[in-house]
Amino acid sequence: GQNIDQPTEMTATEGAIVQINCTYQTSGFNGLFWYQQHAGEAPTFLSYNVLDGLEEKGRFSSFLSRSKGYSYLLLKELQMKDSASYLCAALPYSGAGSYQLTFGKGTKLSVIP
Amino acid sequence: GAVVSQHPSWVICKSGTSVKIECRSLDFQATTMFWYRQFPKQSLMLMATSNEGSKATYEQGVEKDKFLINHASLTLSTLTVTSAHPEDSSFYICSARGTSSSYEQYFGPGTRLTVT
Repeated sequence: GQNIDQPTEMTATEGAIVQINCTYQTSGFNGLFWYQQHAGEAPTFLSYNVLDGLEEKGRFSSFLSRSKGYSYLLLKELQMKDSASYLCAALPYSGAGSYQLTFGKGTKLSVIP
Repeated sequence: GAVVSQHPSWVICKSGTSVKIECRSLDFQATTMFWYRQFPKQSLMLMATSNEGSKATYEQGVEKDKFLINHASLTLSTLTVTSAHPEDSSFYICSARGTSSSYEQYFGPGTRLTVT
């Protein structure tokens, strides 16, 4: 089966750095996605990692360790608008080509002044 | 690029009626579309996967006769909630995957369904 774990809630201060962790257990692995979702809105794509290492994209970076089944999303220079839920999603290997993402429950990040 | 639209963005219907939600890929061809449901403070739960021109594959526990999915073209998929009940009230989100080798899914803006 598939299992994605991430913290339920986090709070951080404007201007600071926050790291949101995600561990996953999937049958096969084709990559790890991070999405941002503001309340009442659909998720928006942030990053995709399939190889080990750190991918940096502006203020956001994402790290993956396949051997540990572990990823994190790093947000720098936090802004109030970064308050949202951050969804970790793994792409198992189904063998059928359907590419169905398995989502974690999301981490609600609150950025405070 | 890679824009997915949904219509309507919100709908209120009476118990027992049916509601159709449209999902369109505006600037790319979507070989695969996914339908998710999200209850408040919960994560996205995949309901079904549909490939253009073939029957949808439903996740365990999702009634295929209640949630009718049609993926008639490479740019349009529809979800019809038949005989809706208040417990069907939820946020329904579609996503689409294009014909390229990328695994990325592009999400629509979601449809808020309230059944009274």
